[in-house]
Amino acid sequence: AQKVTQAQTEISVVEKEDVTLDCVYETRDTTYYLFWYKQPPSGELVFLIRRNSFDEQNEISGRYSWNFQKSTSSFNFTITASQVVDSAVYFCALSEANTNAGKSTFGDGTTLTVKP
Amino acid sequence: DVKVTQSSRYLVKRTGEKVFLECVQDMDHENMFWYRQDPGLGLRLIYFSYDVKMKEKGDIPEGYSVSREKKERFSLILESASTNQTSMYLCASSLPTFTGQYFGPGTRLTVT
Repeated sequence: AQKVTQAQTEISVVEKEDVTLDCVYETRDTTYYLFWYKQPPSGELVFLIRRNSFDEQNEISGRYSWNFQKSTSSFNFTITASQVVDSAVYFCALSEANTNAGKSTFGDGTTLTVKP
Repeated sequence: DVKVTQSSRYLVKRTGEKVFLECVQDMDHENMFWYRQDPGLGLRLIYFSYDVKMKEKGDIPEGYSVSREKKERFSLILESASTNQTSMYLCASSLPTFTGQYFGPGTRLTVT
């Protein structure tokens, strides 16, 4: 069965600090997809990134970067020079390619608070 | 832009009432999902649908049913609301190609 673990329940940093959100996953499939979502205080989850199991290239988008390592079953998310607007709950999710409708298993989320 | 709308942001119902939560998406997505979100429990999948009139149980379907008569609309039904169904309910939609899910704003349901 698939499982996603986000061990960090809450993280608090001061603005401009770098912060890494950890995500560890379990799956028996060789083909799968990993996602990160952001849920700001307003409540609406926003899709941030998708990675497939055959693409281990790290990705950078502005202050955001993602590190995918199959050897450790991890898909970590780093925010560089954090800002107050980054305060949110962040969810990591996994979809196995053989599932109907591409349903995802979500981690419990990490609440990030960035203080000014 | 993908838009997923939910009929209410806040809803208060009494125990035993039948409750309908509506979700509509405007991007012709095949897949639609209903989750509930509770503190410390993350997102738990209640039901999902990959086509009109098709539905499958998620991880916590007990006490819920769904209806998908049109592609753009996916309804969650609580046949007889109970206090343990007080929660935030999130609807999402996606293409069938693992491109990520698009979420609505959520409905915070309180059952008293």
